[in-house]
Amino acid sequence: NAGVTQTPKFRILKIGQSMTLQCAQDMNHNYMYWYRQDPGMGLKLIYYSVGAGITDKGEVPNGYNVSRSTTEDFPLRLELAAPSQTSVYFCASSPKRWGASDTQYFGPGTRLTVL
Amino acid sequence: KQEVTQIPAALSVPEGENLVLNCSFTDSAIYNLQWFRQDPGKGLTSLLLIQSSQREQTSGRLNASLDKSSGRSTLYIAASQPGDSATYLCAVRQENAGNMLTFGGGTRLMVKP
Repeated sequence: NAGVTQTPKFRILKIGQSMTLQCAQDMNHNYMYWYRQDPGMGLKLIYYSVGAGITDKGEVPNGYNVSRSTTEDFPLRLELAAPSQTSVYFCASSPKRWGASDTQYFGPGTRLTVL
Repeated sequence: KQEVTQIPAALSVPEGENLVLNCSFTDSAIYNLQWFRQDPGKGLTSLLLIQSSQREQTSGRLNASLDKSSGRSTLYIAASQPGDSATYLCAVRQENAGNMLTFGGGTRLMVKP
């Protein structure tokens, strides 16, 4: 299993440009998440999904959009990129029956710079 | 709103030392608490998970404790090695908050040979 994969690894955007961060998992997990991590800070939840066709906002959703058309994929869309969106973006997934002993599995991250 | 704080933000120790990383949280109604390791340019790897009904978990040289009533957890690393150098994050999963995790800011650990 490849686990959780993210593309691209690095990207530089100009202010006002748009892009889509890709995330895929091959563990048949129902739950998927997008986080952002600013320098020296912990991770903050942007959006999450409990299954195909179902998404919901996290703590910091402004400026982002998501869709979940398949169990495997959970892309994150940035519209009109702003310098405040410069961050490292992590995608994660977890099983449907997320018991007390289960964890989330994280991808390697996408480092985004908006200039 | 749950807030998670980790102290210290950075720590540098010589190889072989035993060390303690601290994590505190404001709302004790948690489902579990996890410690993650993050290497530069990599994702997060789960080290230890303590359920709310448990007091501690051990894995090799790592021991994590949880005191829910006081809102604290510690990660103890015995006989530290240069390979332990990384950022350590704690995260709490809140009761009645779906599957959301709230993360602390992390402790950046450097173990010098």
